[in-house]
Amino acid sequence: QLQLQESGPRLVKPLETLSLTCTVSGGSITSGRHFWGWLRQPPGKGLAWIGSIYHSGNTYYNPSLKSRLTISVDTSKNQFSLKVNSVTAADTATYYCSRQTGDGYFDYWGLGTLVTVSS
Amino acid sequence: IVMTQSPATLSVSPGERASLSCRASQSISSNLAWYQRKPGQTPKLLIYGASTRASGIPARFSGSGSGTQFTLTISSLQSEDFAVYFCQQYNNWPPYTFGQGTKLEIK
Repeated sequence: QLQLQESGPRLVKPLETLSLTCTVSGGSITSGRHFWGWLRQPPGKGLAWIGSIYHSGNTYYNPSLKSRLTISVDTSKNQFSLKVNSVTAADTATYYCSRQTGDGYFDYWGLGTLVTVSS
Repeated sequence: IVMTQSPATLSVSPGERASLSCRASQSISSNLAWYQRKPGQTPKLLIYGASTRASGIPARFSGSGSGTQFTLTISSLQSEDFAVYFCQQYNNWPPYTFGQGTKLEIK
């Protein structure tokens, strides 16, 4: 059974960089036509797609966040990562990593991790 | 594309039928997925392609609709079905977009 787990700091200061890693177990990040995605849900708001990456390194970003995003993959560790630069309180959210099918829906998810931006 | 779910909260008794609505601001064909999220658990894919149940999903869950109007129906609610449900369109991207969610609670 495929499992995904988010890890990283839970508290980030304003204007610093938010960094999260998703570790995939129970399957290879290079298998199949799957993408690997990041999503987030701010408190009291809906879920939003941040971006996705293929194991080759091709990335697809939400245009509203693109200028501050970097998503990368480390196939040797079966991990993919998210960096969001210059964070503000508006970046406070529960962040999820997920496997995305070639069609575009998300079939496996992590539990999510709450990241708070505060000084 | 803006996805709008209604109602925000739905109160239903166990054993009864629940119908959750998801509307797209423009046509998304049948490129819609439904998910279930419960506290302390990973979100679960229920339906994709508007009406295809994901692997292992009970037959009491069904999806219907195309274009801009979609419905998730749970035919006879079990205790484990009380959760938050949200829809996602994957027809026009970027970005992929989600509804705000419907909380299904015990009446």
